[in-house]
Formats: sequence, C-alpha cells, structure tokens
Amino acid sequence: EVQLVESGGGLIQPGGSLRLSCAASGFTVSSNSMSWVRQAPGKGLEWVSVLYSGGSTKYADSVKGRFTMSRDNSKNTVYLQMKSLRAEDTAVYYCAREAVAGTKEFDYWGQGTLVTVSS
Amino acid sequence: SYELTQPPSVSVSPGQTASITCSGDKLGDKFACWYQQKPGQSPVLVIYQDSKRPSGIPERFSGSNSGNTATLTISGTQAMDEADYYCQAWDSSSHVVFGGGTKLTVL
Repeated sequence: EVQLVESGGGLIQPGGSLRLSCAASGFTVSSNSMSWVRQAPGKGLEWVSVLYSGGSTKYADSVKGRFTMSRDNSKNTVYLQMKSLRAEDTAVYYCAREAVAGTKEFDYWGQGTLVTVSS
Repeated sequence: SYELTQPPSVSVSPGQTASITCSGDKLGDKFACWYQQKPGQSPVLVIYQDSKRPSGIPERFSGSNSGNTATLTISGTQAMDEADYYCQAWDSSSHVVFGGGTKLTVL
C-alpha cells in the first residue's frame, strides 16, 4: 500500500528555516517524480516544487531561490528545505506522487504538515 | 504565467447533474485532471488525462476537455460529493498549475 507521511512543520519566525520530510512506503521515491503542494488557510492549492526521478528539480517562482527539494534514497524520503520564510509561506504542505512520469497528475498525497510563519 | 479559472461555487440538488468548468488558454491541447478535497482532508484524484477515472472513483464522475475548457461532470450527485474541486494542468515550463477551486454544494 502506498503511503506518504509528512513531518517537520511547526511555528517559525519570519526569516527562519525549516526542513519538511515526506517518508514514502509502498513504492520507491527515486522511481517517481515527487512534488510539494501547499495550501494556505482557507485558500486553494498551490504547487511548490518537483523532484524528477532523474534528480532534477523545478520550483514555483514564489519559492525559487529560497526552497530546495531533495531526497534520500536509502530512507525513501523526500525533503523540502525552506529558508528565508515569510508570512505568506504559512500553509499546509503536502507531498504528492506523480502517477506516471510526465503526466503531472498526483495519485497519492500525504496528510500534510502545517507550517506557520509568525513572530 | 498560465492560469486556470474555475467558478467559486456551484450548487446542485441531490440526484441532479453538477458541472464544474475550468478555463485556460488552449487547455484542450493539454491534459487536465481533477481533485476532490473534503474539509480537513487531503486532495483525491477523481479524473486524470481529461476523462479517465482512477480505481475506486464512482462512475458518476466524468470529465471532458476541449478548446479552452475542461469540465468535470457529476451525474446523480450525492450528498457525499459536497466538497471543493480543483482542476490542474501544467504550463509551458512544466510547472503544475491549479485552478482556484470550486465549492460544490449539494442542497
């Protein structure tokens, strides 16, 4: 059974850093493209980043240069390193698996982890 | 940047057909998919590649995509279908794009 479990969220001051983790089971993260998607309180979904199976990454303009996505194949886990956090980064962060390479359709999502950026 | 536009809300009576639209420039030239999200839950893929249903999604969910508009249709809408629905595609830079979401009310 495919499962994605996010962790690492919490309350952080503006300008601070945080690392989110997404532990996967039931499949190998290096075989699928993985994305982070966030949802601000009461708002819609916003794509944040993707880590392709080949190792390359892409980022939304809103986080480019501040967020870095990576993975640890030995732990079957993907990460989102976030720095220079702003109030507008406050959101539930979901990791999601791309169903089939190139389709950019997410067939599995984690339960999400809440990041609150506030002083 | 590429934008997808959805109506903020749609209302439907139980047993009737609900249609939720998603508009974007030449959207019909891309694949569109749809997610259902209930309060406090993660999104669930209900339609992919314009019109395909993942395993476990009821047959009453269907999709189409042509021209500038993708449409999610729910036939015989049930109270359990009340949720937020998001369309999704991607832009020329291969960045994923979501529509703003539509709140479906079954009343």
